[in-house]
Amino acid sequence: EIVMTQSPATLSVSPGERATLSCRASQSVSSNLAWYQQKPGQAPRLLIYATSARATGIPARFSGSGSGTEFTLTISSLQSEDFAVYYCQQYIKWPRTFGQGTNVEL
Amino acid sequence: QVQLVESGGGLVKPGGSLRLSCAVSGVSFSDYYMSWVRQAPGKGLEWVSYISSSTGLTTYADSVKGRFTISGDNAKKSLYLQMNSLRVEDTAVYYCARDEGSEPLNCWGQGTLVTVSS
Repeated sequence: EIVMTQSPATLSVSPGERATLSCRASQSVSSNLAWYQQKPGQAPRLLIYATSARATGIPARFSGSGSGTEFTLTISSLQSEDFAVYYCQQYIKWPRTFGQGTNVEL
Repeated sequence: QVQLVESGGGLVKPGGSLRLSCAVSGVSFSDYYMSWVRQAPGKGLEWVSYISSSTGLTTYADSVKGRFTISGDNAKKSLYLQMNSLRVEDTAVYYCARDEGSEPLNCWGQGTLVTVSS
């Protein structure tokens, strides 16, 4: 299976700062990469699919980039509601696999 | 507005069975593409199973293959996960989600907790 590795495990940032999260795949997933946000006690929410396409209702401060095996999620100016855990996921092959998550904290 | 509501979770002994349901509203269910994803307490996300009604494809994580069965009912607009031979390590919140190839896991339910313990 394709192993997804996220870094860092925890990212400490202040509101208004830029956050950059990384995701690496053990083999190429082309552009079949998604990002999800999960807040405590809530279900995950799709943020980004196809590496860089924002899901419906997702603010423009969220952007995705990369291809092949290296991907990045950037939050341009962190808002208080953005503190959460972020997961990347590949969907080019079965089984779908997730990274272990990056906790973006204050 | 699409809404997914899971039910059927609870406490079960190792070796026991449970059937989870996911009721879908706000969207047609004549063709559906759905996954189950689980999250053990304090852990990350694990994809469990997928079904496509149009192709008949079902697929499973190795950790549940041969024990879990995914299915759907167009008339009842519901997705199911039959879980047999449950293990302690199956303890998790189980989410159903719409899983369309072009936009994966784009809508999630609130989850239902399954606890496997003696």
